[in-house]
Amino acid sequence: DTGVSQDPRHKITKRGQNVTFRCDPISEHNRLYWYRQTLGQGPEFLTYFQNEAQLEKSRLLSDRFSAERPKGSFSTLEIQRTEQGDSAMYLCASSFLAGTSGRPSYNEQFFGPGTRLTVL
Amino acid sequence: TQLLEQSPQFLSIQEGENLTVYCNSSSVFSSLQWYRQEPGEGPVLLVTVVTGGEVKKLKRLTFQFGDARKDSSLHITAAQPGDTGLYLCAGGPRGKLIFGQGTELSVKP
Repeated sequence: DTGVSQDPRHKITKRGQNVTFRCDPISEHNRLYWYRQTLGQGPEFLTYFQNEAQLEKSRLLSDRFSAERPKGSFSTLEIQRTEQGDSAMYLCASSFLAGTSGRPSYNEQFFGPGTRLTVL
Repeated sequence: TQLLEQSPQFLSIQEGENLTVYCNSSSVFSSLQWYRQEPGEGPVLLVTVVTGGEVKKLKRLTFQFGDARKDSSLHITAAQPGDTGLYLCAGGPRGKLIFGQGTELSVKP
């Protein structure tokens, strides 16, 4: 079990540039989540996917942010025209939601190590 | 809107002391998770509590879910420097997790 992986771990960019982050979830997990965390705060929800379908987006996710999960496996989060306020830790998590198997599902999410974005 | 409030926000103690962190809400949660996060890393899941009044133990850590499923606590016995980190409670329906703002714990040798 390799866990959730994220790439890159750190990204420094200049204001106005575009950046893309990748997340590889735990292989048998069908749900993938993106969160943003700033210093001294808990993570804030951005968006999540079930398989390849994007089911919910936060109001925090401006038009400059777009996320995809094209084949229901890895996901990418792109930020266009970065601003200094975008500087944060971007966290990816995955979980398994049971369908009709009867197995309880308590929304336990497993996080990757995060991508630290610094916008200069 | 569901909110989770954690207290205290910061805690600095000596090795060997006991401590309790609280996580409170005015909303009912079907389950709550506790995570621990180290600087520069993602949160690591410690435990999930699902039943009102439930108590779970993980070595020196004791987690309790309130009877009304609106609050939870984390108690650490005989804290060690390795317990240092950010402790987060989180909950939510099937989908996004709502996090408390975290409790920054520092255990000094």
